[in-house]
Amino acid sequence: EAGVAQSPRYKIIEKRQSVAFWCNPISGHATLYWYQQILGQGPKLLIQFQNNGVVDDSQLPKDRFSAERLKGVDSTLKIQPAKLEDSAVYLCASSLDRQGADSPLHFGNGTRLTVT
Amino acid sequence: GEDVEQSLFLSVREGDSSVINCTYTDSSSTYLYWYKQEPGAGLQLLTYIFSNMDMKQDQRLTVLLNKKDKHLSLRIADTQTGDSAIYFCAERVGGKLIFGQGTELSVKP
Repeated sequence: EAGVAQSPRYKIIEKRQSVAFWCNPISGHATLYWYQQILGQGPKLLIQFQNNGVVDDSQLPKDRFSAERLKGVDSTLKIQPAKLEDSAVYLCASSLDRQGADSPLHFGNGTRLTVT
Repeated sequence: GEDVEQSLFLSVREGDSSVINCTYTDSSSTYLYWYKQEPGAGLQLLTYIFSNMDMKQDQRLTVLLNKKDKHLSLRIADTQTGDSAIYFCAERVGGKLIFGQGTELSVKP
């Protein structure tokens, strides 16, 4: 099966600019996650969707970050305006999670964002 | 609270066994996972264990879970240079995955 697709692979922007990342999960996966991975750290959850509804966005800096998952498939994550500390790899993941059963998360290759 | 701790570095010789350790704090974890991350890549699922199991073996990988001590380990038998990567332990709590900071495994020929 095709894996989780993310684009772009790399993005360099100046602070205060805006940027958007795109994710296409594995076909049929109900749950989609966005993680932020700062260099030298483990990934941290930003937002979790179940189909097209938000399950957990408690760690999302809502003054500058937004995410949507229209039609319960693809998702976009936006940062506006970007700060230097937003430099990180943004990882998208999906899991099957049918009928309440926990399923492993499968990750895309990520988008490496550099804010200058 | 939710916290996952790992040692930062491990260095082994090719052919030896590697043991990567992890401790977690949330006793309500349902599953515990090991992921591998190579430079510039995403996270690759290696293996996972249900919280009511003590051990799981999958080819060269052995996962041991001590639920009483909240300790998880990953043993890689006959470690190869291709195993050099960062290994992340993660616990599943309430539907989300909480990751440790990763252990960098260096395999010397």
